[in-house]
Amino acid sequence: GAGVSQTPSNKVTEKGKYVELRCDPISGHTALYWYRQSLGQGPEFLIYFQGTGAADDSGLPNDRFFAVRPEGSVSTLKIQRTERGDSAVYLCASSLSGTGGEQYFGPGTRLTVT
Amino acid sequence: SQKIEQNSEALNIQEGKTATLTCNYTNYSPAYLQWYRQDPGRGPVFLLLIRENEKEKRKERLKVTFDTTLKQSLFHITASQPADSATYLCALAPDTGRRALTFGSGTRLQVQP
Repeated sequence: GAGVSQTPSNKVTEKGKYVELRCDPISGHTALYWYRQSLGQGPEFLIYFQGTGAADDSGLPNDRFFAVRPEGSVSTLKIQRTERGDSAVYLCASSLSGTGGEQYFGPGTRLTVT
Repeated sequence: SQKIEQNSEALNIQEGKTATLTCNYTNYSPAYLQWYRQDPGRGPVFLLLIRENEKEKRKERLKVTFDTTLKQSLFHITASQPADSATYLCALAPDTGRRALTFGSGTRLQVQP
Protein backbone atom coordinates (compact mmCIF):
# COMPACT_ATOMS: atom_id res chain seq x y z
CA GLY A 1 0.00 0.00 0.00
CA ALA A 2 0.93 3.64 -0.27
CA GLY A 3 3.18 5.07 2.38
CA VAL A 4 3.35 8.61 3.69
CA SER A 5 3.84 11.11 0.90
CA GLN A 6 5.09 14.68 1.12
CA THR A 7 5.06 17.47 -1.39
CA PRO A 8 7.03 19.20 -2.63
CA SER A 9 10.20 17.16 -2.25
CA ASN A 10 12.27 20.32 -2.51
CA LYS A 11 11.32 23.94 -1.92
CA VAL A 12 13.57 26.95 -2.38
CA THR A 13 12.19 30.26 -1.18
CA GLU A 14 13.44 33.71 -0.42
CA LYS A 15 13.74 35.05 3.09
CA GLY A 16 10.48 36.61 4.21
CA LYS A 17 8.22 34.52 1.96
CA TYR A 18 5.41 32.21 3.02
CA VAL A 19 5.57 28.46 2.35
CA GLU A 20 3.24 25.51 2.70
CA LEU A 21 4.38 21.92 3.01
CA ARG A 22 1.93 19.09 2.50
CA CYS A 23 1.73 15.64 4.08
CA ASP A 24 -0.52 12.79 3.01
CA PRO A 25 -0.47 10.10 5.72
CA ILE A 26 -1.19 6.41 5.43
CA SER A 27 -4.91 5.86 5.03
CA GLY A 28 -6.58 5.10 8.35
CA HIS A 29 -3.79 6.49 10.51
CA THR A 30 -5.32 8.85 13.04
CA ALA A 31 -2.06 10.24 14.40
CA LEU A 32 0.13 12.57 12.35
CA TYR A 33 3.43 14.16 13.37
CA TRP A 34 5.66 16.85 11.93
CA TYR A 35 9.38 16.84 12.63
CA ARG A 36 12.26 18.98 11.42
CA GLN A 37 15.71 17.56 10.75
CA SER A 38 18.90 19.55 10.32
CA LEU A 39 22.06 18.08 8.85
CA GLY A 40 23.73 15.62 11.20
CA GLN A 41 20.89 15.75 13.72
CA GLY A 42 17.96 13.54 14.53
CA PRO A 43 14.40 14.62 13.77
CA GLU A 44 13.08 17.28 16.13
CA PHE A 45 9.41 17.22 17.06
CA LEU A 46 7.20 20.10 15.94
CA ILE A 47 3.53 19.16 16.28
CA TYR A 48 1.28 16.13 16.73
CA PHE A 49 -2.32 15.70 15.52
CA GLN A 50 -4.80 13.17 16.77
CA GLY A 51 -7.57 13.31 14.20
CA THR A 52 -8.27 16.91 13.26
CA GLY A 53 -6.97 18.53 16.42
CA ALA A 54 -3.44 19.46 17.39
CA ALA A 55 -2.90 17.38 20.51
CA ASP A 56 0.60 18.73 21.14
CA ASP A 57 2.16 21.75 19.45
CA SER A 58 4.86 22.29 22.02
CA GLY A 59 7.63 21.79 19.46
CA LEU A 60 6.68 24.67 17.18
CA PRO A 61 9.59 27.12 17.50
CA ASN A 62 7.52 30.32 17.27
CA ASP A 63 4.27 31.75 15.96
CA ARG A 64 5.53 31.85 12.38
CA PHE A 65 4.88 28.11 12.27
CA PHE A 66 1.37 26.74 12.03
CA ALA A 67 -0.13 23.42 10.93
CA VAL A 68 -3.62 22.23 10.09
CA ARG A 69 -5.34 18.93 9.45
CA PRO A 70 -8.93 19.98 8.69
CA GLU A 71 -10.38 16.61 7.72
CA GLY A 72 -8.20 14.33 9.78
CA SER A 73 -6.10 13.10 6.89
CA VAL A 74 -3.91 15.48 4.86
CA SER A 75 -1.95 18.03 6.86
CA THR A 76 -0.29 21.27 5.83
CA LEU A 77 2.61 22.89 7.67
CA LYS A 78 2.67 26.63 7.09
CA ILE A 79 5.66 28.88 7.69
CA GLN A 80 5.29 32.64 7.52
CA ARG A 81 8.07 35.18 7.00
CA THR A 82 10.63 32.47 6.43
CA GLU A 83 14.13 32.90 7.80
CA ARG A 84 17.40 31.28 6.73
CA GLY A 85 17.40 29.34 9.97
CA ASP A 86 14.22 27.58 8.86
CA SER A 87 16.22 25.70 6.22
CA ALA A 88 15.99 21.99 7.03
CA VAL A 89 14.25 18.79 5.99
CA TYR A 90 10.68 18.73 7.21
CA LEU A 91 9.48 15.19 7.91
CA CYS A 92 5.95 13.99 8.36
CA ALA A 93 5.04 10.71 10.06
CA SER A 94 1.83 8.90 10.81
CA SER A 95 0.85 6.10 13.12
CA LEU A 96 -2.22 3.98 13.57
CA SER A 97 -3.46 5.34 16.86
CA GLY A 98 -0.97 7.68 18.43
CA THR A 99 -0.42 5.49 21.45
CA GLY A 100 3.29 5.83 20.91
CA GLY A 101 4.00 2.86 18.72
CA GLU A 102 5.99 2.81 15.53
CA GLN A 103 5.77 5.77 13.25
CA TYR A 104 5.87 5.70 9.45
CA PHE A 105 7.83 8.54 7.94
CA GLY A 106 7.55 10.24 4.59
CA PRO A 107 10.59 11.13 2.51
CA GLY A 108 10.58 14.73 3.72
CA THR A 109 10.54 18.15 2.12
CA ARG A 110 13.90 19.88 1.87
CA LEU A 111 13.30 23.58 2.51
CA THR A 112 16.01 26.05 1.56
CA VAL A 113 15.56 29.71 2.48
CA THR A 114 17.91 32.01 0.56
CA SER B 1 17.85 18.91 30.94
CA GLN B 2 16.73 15.84 29.01
CA LYS B 3 19.37 14.40 26.75
CA ILE B 4 19.78 11.45 24.38
CA GLU B 5 23.30 10.58 23.35
CA GLN B 6 24.42 8.44 20.47
CA ASN B 7 27.99 8.11 19.32
CA SER B 8 28.42 10.83 16.73
CA GLU B 9 31.48 9.16 15.26
CA ALA B 10 30.84 6.72 12.44
CA LEU B 11 31.20 3.04 13.24
CA ASN B 12 33.20 1.10 10.66
CA ILE B 13 33.15 -2.70 10.76
CA GLN B 14 33.92 -5.62 8.51
CA GLU B 15 31.19 -7.60 6.81
CA GLY B 16 30.11 -10.56 8.91
CA LYS B 17 30.96 -8.95 12.25
CA THR B 18 28.46 -7.78 14.85
CA ALA B 19 27.78 -4.05 14.99
CA THR B 20 26.85 -2.62 18.39
CA LEU B 21 25.41 0.87 18.67
CA THR B 22 24.78 2.67 21.95
CA CYS B 23 22.02 5.01 23.07
CA ASN B 24 22.32 6.72 26.47
CA TYR B 25 19.76 9.04 27.97
CA THR B 26 19.48 11.29 30.99
CA ASN B 27 16.56 12.88 32.80
CA TYR B 28 14.01 10.66 31.09
CA SER B 29 11.72 7.94 32.28
CA PRO B 30 10.77 6.54 28.90
CA ALA B 31 7.83 4.21 28.51
CA TYR B 32 9.62 2.67 25.57
CA LEU B 33 12.47 3.10 23.19
CA GLN B 34 12.56 2.68 19.43
CA TRP B 35 15.29 2.26 16.86
CA TYR B 36 15.05 3.58 13.32
CA ARG B 37 17.23 3.30 10.24
CA GLN B 38 17.74 6.29 7.97
CA ASP B 39 19.34 6.25 4.54
CA PRO B 40 20.56 9.48 2.89
CA GLY B 41 17.72 11.54 1.46
CA ARG B 42 15.04 9.36 3.01
CA GLY B 43 12.84 9.39 6.07
CA PRO B 44 13.57 7.14 9.05
CA VAL B 45 12.29 3.55 8.89
CA PHE B 46 11.11 1.79 12.05
CA LEU B 47 13.11 -1.25 13.13
CA LEU B 48 12.34 -2.26 16.70
CA LEU B 49 10.47 -1.10 19.80
CA ILE B 50 11.28 -2.20 23.34
CA ARG B 51 9.21 -1.37 26.42
CA GLU B 52 10.55 -0.34 29.81
CA ASN B 53 9.66 -3.69 31.34
CA GLU B 54 11.46 -5.65 28.61
CA LYS B 55 15.15 -6.42 28.78
CA GLU B 56 15.73 -7.64 25.26
CA LYS B 57 13.97 -7.83 21.90
CA ARG B 58 15.04 -9.64 18.75
CA LYS B 59 14.05 -9.50 15.11
CA GLU B 60 15.99 -11.54 12.58
CA ARG B 61 19.60 -10.26 12.77
CA LEU B 62 18.68 -7.38 15.06
CA LYS B 63 18.75 -7.33 18.84
CA VAL B 64 17.95 -4.48 21.22
CA THR B 65 18.56 -4.34 24.95
CA PHE B 66 17.11 -1.79 27.36
CA ASP B 67 18.60 -1.15 30.79
CA THR B 68 16.51 1.44 32.65
CA THR B 69 18.95 1.41 35.57
CA LEU B 70 21.92 2.31 33.39
CA LYS B 71 19.62 4.44 31.18
CA GLN B 72 21.03 2.76 28.13
CA SER B 73 19.98 0.79 25.08
CA LEU B 74 22.27 -1.29 22.92
CA PHE B 75 21.41 -2.12 19.32
CA HIS B 76 23.15 -5.08 17.71
CA ILE B 77 23.26 -6.20 14.10
CA THR B 78 24.74 -9.67 13.77
CA ALA B 79 26.36 -11.00 10.58
CA SER B 80 26.46 -7.45 9.25
CA GLN B 81 26.27 -6.79 5.52
CA PRO B 82 27.24 -3.78 3.40
CA ALA B 83 23.49 -3.20 2.88
CA ASP B 84 23.24 -2.49 6.63
CA SER B 85 25.27 0.70 6.10
CA ALA B 86 23.05 3.60 7.18
CA THR B 87 22.44 5.97 10.08
CA TYR B 88 20.68 4.42 13.05
CA LEU B 89 18.52 6.61 15.27
CA CYS B 90 17.43 5.93 18.82
CA ALA B 91 14.11 7.49 19.87
CA LEU B 92 12.38 7.71 23.22
CA ALA B 93 8.70 7.95 23.98
CA PRO B 94 8.17 9.57 27.39
CA ASP B 95 5.84 8.14 29.99
CA THR B 96 3.69 11.24 29.98
CA GLY B 97 0.78 11.84 27.68
CA ARG B 98 3.12 13.19 25.05
CA ARG B 99 3.11 10.88 22.05
CA ALA B 100 5.86 12.41 19.98
CA LEU B 101 9.28 10.83 19.86
CA THR B 102 12.50 12.45 20.98
CA PHE B 103 15.38 11.36 18.78
CA GLY B 104 19.09 11.08 19.29
CA SER B 105 21.37 12.47 16.60
CA GLY B 106 22.10 9.03 15.19
CA THR B 107 25.18 6.92 14.56
CA ARG B 108 26.37 6.21 11.04
CA LEU B 109 27.31 2.59 10.43
CA GLN B 110 29.58 1.64 7.55
CA VAL B 111 29.99 -2.08 6.83
CA GLN B 112 33.02 -2.81 4.68
CA PRO B 113 32.86 -5.76 2.26
